[in-house]
This record gives sequence, C-alpha cells and structure tokens, in this order.
Amino acid sequence: EVQLVESGGGLVQPGGSLRLSCAASGFPFSSYWMHWVRQAPGKGLVWVSRVNSDGSSTNYADSVKGRFTISRDNAKNTLYLQMNSLRAEDTAVYYCTRAGSGLFDPWGQGTLVTVSS
Amino acid sequence: QSVLTQPPSVSGAPGQRVTISCTGSSSNIGAGYAVHWYQQLPGTAPKLLIYANSDRPSGVPDRFSGSKSGTSASLAITGLQAEDEADYYCQSYDSSLSGEVFGTGTKVTVL
Repeated sequence: EVQLVESGGGLVQPGGSLRLSCAASGFPFSSYWMHWVRQAPGKGLVWVSRVNSDGSSTNYADSVKGRFTISRDNAKNTLYLQMNSLRAEDTAVYYCTRAGSGLFDPWGQGTLVTVSS
Repeated sequence: QSVLTQPPSVSGAPGQRVTISCTGSSSNIGAGYAVHWYQQLPGTAPKLLIYANSDRPSGVPDRFSGSKSGTSASLAITGLQAEDEADYYCQSYDSSLSGEVFGTGTKVTVL
C-alpha cells in the first residue's frame, strides 16, 4: 500500500524553526518528485515546495522562499521541510504528496504547525 | 493567492446534478496544462478525484466527471449523494509562477 506519513509539527514561537518529515512506503520513493502543500485553518490548499527525484532541483512558493528548505533522503525514503523564521501566517496543516504527471496522489494525513507566542 | 477561481459554494438535493467551475488564465489552464480535481472530506486529507481534465482514478464513481475548455475547467457531480458533501479543489500548473496552483475551493452541500 502506498503510504505517506508526516511528523514533526507542533507549537513554535514566531521566528522559530521546525523540521517536518514525511516517511514514504509502498512505492519506489527515489523515482518520484515530492511536494509540500499547506492549508491554513478554514482556508484552501496552497502549494509550498517541490523537489525532484534525486534532490538536485527544488522550487518554492514566493511566500516561503528563503525561509523554507525542502530536501529528501532516498536511502531513508523520507522527505523533509526545514522551516526557519516562522511567522503566524505559516500556521497550517502541512501535507506531503507524491507527484506524477502534474497531479498529486496520494497525500499524507498532514501535520499541524502552529506559530504563536 | 489562488490564481484559479472557484465558486465558494454550491448545493443541491440528493439525486440532482451540480457543477463546479474553475477559471484560470493564459498562463495556466489556457496554456494547455492539465487540470486535476481533489475531494476533501471534513477533517481528512485531499484525495485525487479527477486527473488530466477528465479521467477518473480507479474506485472513483462515474457520477464524477471533468471537462476543460479554453481557460476554464468544470467538475460535475450527477446523482448527488450525502457522502459527496465535501470541499473540492481544482489544480494545475502556472508558467508565470513556475509552480503548481490550486483553486480557491468549493464547498458542496447536499440539501
């Protein structure tokens, strides 16, 4: 069964840092591009970042560029999102998802990040 | 800052047909990029519903259908059922932003 399981969310103060992880199983992780998508409470889906299959190419939404870093460890079948200089507006559920032909499938269950003092 | 616009809500009685529009521009849908649709049931992660404008993944009922024309796309639900009550999002790629974009989302209510 293809599965994505996020972890690492929690409460952090403004200006703080957090690293999210996404453990993948059930498919050849190193063959797929991976993405992070977030959803603020009561709001819609927003694409955050993507990384290519070998980790050599990354892209970010303007809202997180320079503060967030996406990476992957293909030996551990794990995707990461390092989030620095966190702001209140970064509060959201963060989903990792597998990409293929421009679509996202499947999605993890999400991990909640709350930025508050 | 969604670049794909959807109506905030649509509703219908059980058994009726509802449609959800997704309006983009020449840098995304109009540029020929595929449109995909996701269903998000309350308190759960999004699930792929329609891909490549009109194809259904295995397991998705044929009550759900998608189409695309020009700078817009649409999702139709025929024979509306109570379990279809959810949020629906369209998604494509935008060449100006060099990234994936989602629609603003539509809440479907079954009356």
